[in-house]
Amino acid sequence: AQSVTQLGSHVSVSEGALVLLRCNYSSSVPPYLFWYVQYPNQGLQLLLKYTSAATLVKGINGFEAEFKKSETSFHLTKPSAHMRDAAEYFCAVSEGSNYQLIWGAGTKLIIKP
Amino acid sequence: DSGVTQTPKHLITATGQRVTLRCSPRSGDLSVYWYQQSLDQGLQFLIQYYNGEERAKGNILERFSAQQFPDLHSELNLSSLELGDSALYFCASSVGWGSYNEQFFGPGTRLTVL
Repeated sequence: AQSVTQLGSHVSVSEGALVLLRCNYSSSVPPYLFWYVQYPNQGLQLLLKYTSAATLVKGINGFEAEFKKSETSFHLTKPSAHMRDAAEYFCAVSEGSNYQLIWGAGTKLIIKP
Repeated sequence: DSGVTQTPKHLITATGQRVTLRCSPRSGDLSVYWYQQSLDQGLQFLIQYYNGEERAKGNILERFSAQQFPDLHSELNLSSLELGDSALYFCASSVGWGSYNEQFFGPGTRLTVL
């Protein structure tokens, strides 16, 4: 069965520092992979998605993620954190269009001034 | 603004009661999803409808039911409410039914059961 693991329920970085949010999945086939962001008191919105094209995926707001099949990972990065990046980030995976998304538990990103 | 609307924004009710949450998808989207988000269980997928038909079921309790109407709006009915049903309920929509489609989320309905 598919599963998604997001390492760290909370990640704290200083403004201007590198952001790294980890996501590992289990899947028997090349998956669809997504990162969504939830700002305080809002619904989720798509940051980026991987659908078997380029392994390095660029998203909105300067975020990107790299699909590494050998490591079954899809970590989210941003070179320089801004205060406005403070939010909860969710990784999700699907084994194919006939399958539902499986959601990770979420990681709250805290930005220190 | 995602284009997905949900009403009401907040709902406070008592145990044992029944409530209905409403969702209007983005114009042109045929799929509607319902999610429950709580502190202890995180984000849980409940159910998906596509063009009026149930497409997929997740962790939806038997006390909960949903439907999608011909105009594509959807309602989530929660009955015999328990304290543990207090949560944020999100509706999302997408163009197609496949999981590769981007889901657009509404602002949510916060349900408090007292």
